[in-house]
Amino acid sequence: GAGVSQSPRYKVAKRGQDVALRCDPISGHVSLFWYQQALGQGPEFLTYFQNEAQLDKSGLPSDRFFAERPEGSVSTLKIQRTQQEDSAVYLCASSQDAGAGAFFGQGTRLTVV
Amino acid sequence: AQSVTQLGSHVSVSEGALVLLRCNYSSSVPPYLFWYVQYPNQGLQLLLKYTTGATLVKGINGFEAEFKKSETSFHLTKPSAHMSDAAEYFCAVSEGSGGYNKLIFGAGTRLAVHP
Repeated sequence: GAGVSQSPRYKVAKRGQDVALRCDPISGHVSLFWYQQALGQGPEFLTYFQNEAQLDKSGLPSDRFFAERPEGSVSTLKIQRTQQEDSAVYLCASSQDAGAGAFFGQGTRLTVV
Repeated sequence: AQSVTQLGSHVSVSEGALVLLRCNYSSSVPPYLFWYVQYPNQGLQLLLKYTTGATLVKGINGFEAEFKKSETSFHLTKPSAHMSDAAEYFCAVSEGSGGYNKLIFGAGTRLAVHP
């Protein structure tokens, strides 16, 4: 596709429910990033993939958060046993190379009730 | 550790006036610097970036920014504001090491443009 696509755009989850957020990066982009943006804040890094390899997961806030990119294209961010503090917009970004600057998707707004 | 400080969470200007959004960073290595814009319910759009070379960087929509190493600053400017510039602006820094740009964002500055 022409840009980074994320689905769903909005997700309401009951506390304790598991959720899965999908990201389709720009075709051919090697690098894929996940960020978390809390209300009124700047995005915060969660994890990075180079092709299918997860090279950096230093930003994942707990072991309830898990990300994968098994074939080096589509990525899924999974949150288990969601908590209210997980409510945020989850942004996916992809880039062609280190100096390019990442292209962001529209994000998935997760609300945990 | 790297960090980004954006002075002023809200900036309001008149249409046609100069836009100045401030960004200061800390980094132990030569940084890569970025400005992104976010419109309501949208993702982030890259306005401009500095990696190496010329310190005055021109971006889309008439915006530019100047990298000043001595001041550790990367302020964003536009000579004449348009109503369509109203949005949230984020400054970000990356070391660019390890072959990928993990971005550290500032808290953002919301720009309002009034007639």
